[in-house]
This record gives sequence, structure tokens and C-alpha cells, in this order.
Amino acid sequence: GQSLEQPSEVTAVEGAIVQINCTYQTSGFYGLSWYQQHDGGAPTFLSYNALDGLEETGRFSSFLSRSDSYGYLLLQELQMKDSASYFCAVRDPGGYNKLIFGAGTRLAVHP
Amino acid sequence: EAQVTQNPRYLITVTGKKLTVTCSQNMNHEYMSWYRQDPGLGLRQIYYSMNVEVTDKGDVPEGYKVSRKEKRNFPLILESPSPNQTSLYFCASNPGGSGNEQFFGPGTRLTVL
Repeated sequence: GQSLEQPSEVTAVEGAIVQINCTYQTSGFYGLSWYQQHDGGAPTFLSYNALDGLEETGRFSSFLSRSDSYGYLLLQELQMKDSASYFCAVRDPGGYNKLIFGAGTRLAVHP
Repeated sequence: EAQVTQNPRYLITVTGKKLTVTCSQNMNHEYMSWYRQDPGLGLRQIYYSMNVEVTDKGDVPEGYKVSRKEKRNFPLILESPSPNQTSLYFCASNPGGSGNEQFFGPGTRLTVL
């Protein structure tokens, strides 16, 4: 089956840099996505990596290493509003729109 | 405004009383999904749809039904709800493409007593 592992909680201070890791096990790989979810809100899409390397979008970057079945989300210049849960996700080979999400990492940013 | 809407947003019901949670998207997306979210388990896909009249099971389909009679609507049906279906439910749509970017609705919090 498919599975993803990510840390359950991460804590950091404002202005710092934090990395949220995600390791995956899938029988076929079609890319790694990241979503952000604030308390009481809906998940929102952050990024997608299909190829190895770093993708940068403003303060957020996402990295993928297919040989290591590993990716991470990098958040720079942390702000209080970045306090949220972050989920990695992969597509299940069983279906185009069949997605598997990690259990999520709760990020707490402190002053 | 491009969006996914769900109704109701909150629902308390009793075991065995059939209910339907509606989902509608105005972005003309081909693909739609239902997820449930439980503490410590993340988002788990219940059912997904690739187009009108085309649906398939996700990871946790037991106890749920869906239909896709129109492109914009994808209702979730619980024929005989049980307490273990108490959860936060999200509908999502996506336009296709390599990233499978999901656009989520605001969520429906369901409590089954």
C-alpha cells in the first residue's frame, strides 16, 4: 500500500526557518504535493514536485528526492500566520484522482 | 467567485437516519472527491469522481455512497449513519493536470449520536 510519514509537531520562532519532512512509500510515484490548513479552515494547495530538486514560491520552498522517497517543505522568515497544519500528499497509482495524505505536521510559531 | 460549497456546514444527527451532504463547484472541474478528517489521521479519501457518472472508491468508502449526475455536483450520502462516521468532511474538486491540485470546500462537521 501507499503511506506517508511526517512529524506530528514542529515548533519555531518568528523569523526563523523550519523544515517539515515527508517520507513516502508508494508502488508508483507521480509527484509530491503540500497543503496548508489553518485551524477551522480548509486545506489549501501550496506546492507540487514531480522532479528532483527545489521549487521556490516566495517564502515557501519544496524539495523532492525520488531516489530517497523523501521530500520537505521549507518555510523561511516565519510569521505567526504560518502557524497551521501542513500535509504532504501523493497520488495513489490505483486512480488518477486517488490521493493519499500524510497525517499532518502541526507547526506552532512563537514570538 | 470560484469556489466549492458544501451544505450543511454543521449537522448533528442520530444513528440510522439517512443524510446527504451536498457539494457543488463552479469551476467546471472534471474531478471531485470527498474526504474525511479525523485527529491524528489526516485526510482520508472516501470516494472520487473523474467525470459525470464515473466514480470510484477511495481509502475509506464503507458506509458511504456518492453520485455524479451533473458535473458541478457531487453529493455524499450516508444511508445509515453510525457514531464512527462522526468526523469533519471535505469536498474537493480539481481541474486535472499533473499536480492534482485539490480545491477544498469549507467542510461539514458531522456528529452522529
